[in-house]
Amino acid sequence: QITLKESGPTLVKPTQTLTLTCTFSGFSLSTSGVGVGWIRQPPGKALEWLALIYWNDDKRYSPSLKSRLTITKDTSKNQVVLTMTNMDPVDTATYYCARVYYYDSSGSFDYWGQGTLVTVSS
Amino acid sequence: QSALTQPASVSGSPGQSITISCTGTSSDVGSYNLVSWYQQHPGKAPKLMIYEVSKRPSGVSNRFSGSKSGNTASLTISGLQAEDEADYYCCSYAGSPYVFGTGTKVTVL
Repeated sequence: QITLKESGPTLVKPTQTLTLTCTFSGFSLSTSGVGVGWIRQPPGKALEWLALIYWNDDKRYSPSLKSRLTITKDTSKNQVVLTMTNMDPVDTATYYCARVYYYDSSGSFDYWGQGTLVTVSS
Repeated sequence: QSALTQPASVSGSPGQSITISCTGTSSDVGSYNLVSWYQQHPGKAPKLMIYEVSKRPSGVSNRFSGSKSGNTASLTISGLQAEDEADYYCCSYAGSPYVFGTGTKVTVL
């Protein structure tokens, strides 16, 4: 059974750095073709892709947020960490992590975490 | 990279068919057959319904089908049911970046 779960602060202050952890089970990020990505959704708005890390440590970022994002993985802990610097109230959103597996559903996100709401406010 | 364009809302009666469009550019939707569709019920995480334009993951009803013509992809829901009422998002994933659509609210009348 594949599961993913996001964890991190629910409230951050403007200008602070957000650190979110995605802890997963049922697959390994050392398996060829596997990746874990982050997607966010402001309240009442659309999904926005943020970043993706692959089994071979290749990393991809949203061009509009690239300067603020860092994605890393800890294969031994089955975790992926996303950091976002200089948080602003417009970054208030539910943050999801999700898996991709190229040999099953190509690059689409086939399993998702439940999401975690992060509010940016002083 | 701009979001893909979807109609804000689409509605239909039970049993009818509806189609949601997703318009991009030759750099995303039109470039490869790498378009996916996600269903999202209120307060829930998105669920993959279609990938590679027209393929269904295991367990997804065959009432859901996808297609593409040029820079526009489409999701068709046949035999509309009450449980299909949700938000739907398309996504182009021709490499990087991933681009999601603006989202469509489907209402079952």
